[in-house]
Amino acid sequence: AQKVTQAQTEISVVEKEDVTLDCVYETRDTTYYLFWYKQPPSGELVFLIRRNSFDEQNEISGRYSWNFQKSTSSFNFTITASQVVDSAVYFCALSEAPMNRDDKIIFGKGTRLHILP
Amino acid sequence: GAVVSQHPSWVICKSGTSVKIECRSLDFQATTMFWYRQFPKQSLMLMATSNEGSKATYEQGVEKDKFLINHASLTLSTLTVTSAHPEDSSFYICRAGSDEQYFGPGTRLTVT
Repeated sequence: AQKVTQAQTEISVVEKEDVTLDCVYETRDTTYYLFWYKQPPSGELVFLIRRNSFDEQNEISGRYSWNFQKSTSSFNFTITASQVVDSAVYFCALSEAPMNRDDKIIFGKGTRLHILP
Repeated sequence: GAVVSQHPSWVICKSGTSVKIECRSLDFQATTMFWYRQFPKQSLMLMATSNEGSKATYEQGVEKDKFLINHASLTLSTLTVTSAHPEDSSFYICRAGSDEQYFGPGTRLTVT
């Protein structure tokens, strides 16, 4: 069965510090997708990234970067030079099937990130 | 702009009543929609997969008679919480179609 573990329940850092959110996943499939979402206090999910299991290249988007390592089944997310607006709950998620009509996205428990001014 | 809408965005109802939540895909057709529930400070838990024109598939532990799902058209799925109780108070989020970005904004249900 698939499983996503986010061991960090809550993290607080001072603004401008870098912070890494950990994500470890379990799956029996060789083909799968990994995701990160941001959920601000409003509740709406904000999609950040999708990575398929065959693409281990790290990705950078502005202050955000992601490190995917199949050897350790990890898909960690780093925010560089954090800002107060980054305060939110961040979810790592997994989908075992290729993106089709029957795929399910399973979420980790989330990491609540507080950026202190 | 938003491609998936939910209505209402929040609702308060009395214990024992039923509440219907709508999920609409605004500019695309979705043969499949997914319903999630999120309790305060917890993760999103998949409740059921809704397929247009057929019965929904419920996840283990979700009562299908309590959470009625209807997906009558390619742009609308509804979740009805029947005989709601305070423990049903939660944030309900839908996802339309196969795109990972198409989550609705959520509906906050409070049962008093």
